[in-house]
Amino acid sequence: DSGVTQTPKHLITATGQRVTLRCSPRSGDLSVYWYQQSLDQGLQFLIQYYNGEERAKGNILERFSAQQFPDLHSELNLSSLELGDSALYFCASTPNGRGELFFGEGSRLTVL
Amino acid sequence: DQQVKQNSPSLSVQEGRISILNCDYTNSMFDYFLWYKKYPAEGPTFLISISSIKDKNEDGRFTVFLNKSAKHLSLHIVPSQPGDSAVYFCAASGDNYGQNFVFGPGTRLSVLP
Repeated sequence: DSGVTQTPKHLITATGQRVTLRCSPRSGDLSVYWYQQSLDQGLQFLIQYYNGEERAKGNILERFSAQQFPDLHSELNLSSLELGDSALYFCASTPNGRGELFFGEGSRLTVL
Repeated sequence: DQQVKQNSPSLSVQEGRISILNCDYTNSMFDYFLWYKKYPAEGPTFLISISSIKDKNEDGRFTVFLNKSAKHLSLHIVPSQPGDSAVYFCAASGDNYGQNFVFGPGTRLSVLP
């Protein structure tokens, strides 16, 4: 158990819909990362937050947005969903944005 | 443009033998490298890391070697066990890269009994 909690574990929805994925980092970790893994591909970096502020942005679509709240949990919002958005979405945390990343178990999104 | 490459999508090794997983990177600003292991339906778990000031780091059966001039690192697992069967991701980071981690596409290791 990494200490990073992601909900929901599985989500099935239809094209055009909007979903929210939630992540609770390890206790004390200030930095949260979101990654997308599609169909046996590598982990694609989406976005990083540090203590509530956006720190780095990767290949995140404009239809996607994220935020980190004062209690340090983070949410990834995916809207106008397309079939190609079906993927595993991982959240990871670190104490200070460097060093080892601790990953959650992921949220598997299926868009039908 | 893939900055971290793992050119072998899969690797099969006999139990007890050595597994060698390779990783190449293109960005010379990377100064910290990590290996992660991932089982199906689980998140990646940290295995071992190495800083660019070292050329080798060892942890039990796992050793990571770094060749900065070649921009190449490798993970050695000796002896390989069936429980090592998983997907292995190489990742790189650097201060000048915004504290971001860039992952390779992964190598699926199968250790045959």
